[in-house]
Amino acid sequence: SQQGEEDPQALSIQEGENATMNCSYKTSINNLQWYRQNSGRGLVHLILIRSNEREKHSGRLRVTLDTSKKSSSLLITASRAADTASYFCATALTASKLTFGTGTRLQVTL
Amino acid sequence: DAGVIQSPRHEVTEMGQEVTLRCKPISGHDYLFWYRQTMMRGLELLIYFNNNVPIDDSGMPEDRFSAKMPNASFSTLKIQPSEPRDSAVYFCASRVDGHYEQYFGPGTRLTVT
Repeated sequence: SQQGEEDPQALSIQEGENATMNCSYKTSINNLQWYRQNSGRGLVHLILIRSNEREKHSGRLRVTLDTSKKSSSLLITASRAADTASYFCATALTASKLTFGTGTRLQVTL
Repeated sequence: DAGVIQSPRHEVTEMGQEVTLRCKPISGHDYLFWYRQTMMRGLELLIYFNNNVPIDDSGMPEDRFSAKMPNASFSTLKIQPSEPRDSAVYFCASRVDGHYEQYFGPGTRLTVT
């Protein structure tokens, strides 16, 4: 069964706008990771946030984690057409076992 | 580095046939994972290895599925006999000890008719 549920399921924005995706999970975690999947391709790791961290940045990405609410958000600033992809959160109960969410399909139009 | 390599990229087979999927992890990575992705169930972990030893196969759906890792640079996932409900994209991923992020291969799209 899936640990994470992402919201929204689909998001369509224009280039230059910010995109925010949310992830909720059910159990205690060691860390939470976000991955991107382009159509027909494998997943690519974007960013990891540990359970004792609240916010992390990487380039145009900003991730927050609220362990009391069991939720995380991924913000992509100044989106580009190349950001069009599906985005998945993955919770790590142990170092190796990742449980993936349902994903958010992001469409960035010119 | 070439990344995680999977073969074949596409496989179409008839129900009842044996299917073997192959994976070459990134050199130096200690962990190898097999996942299955479907529209209905999303991305599921099937099994993972550490230093070629299977650690957790609780995600393997049934006895028709088996996985091996004979050496650090090669793993197979076998389905025998295959069924239409096995149709999915199968991903292999690897990671290095001490780091949590996993590196995924391009996947094998399996269609069982």
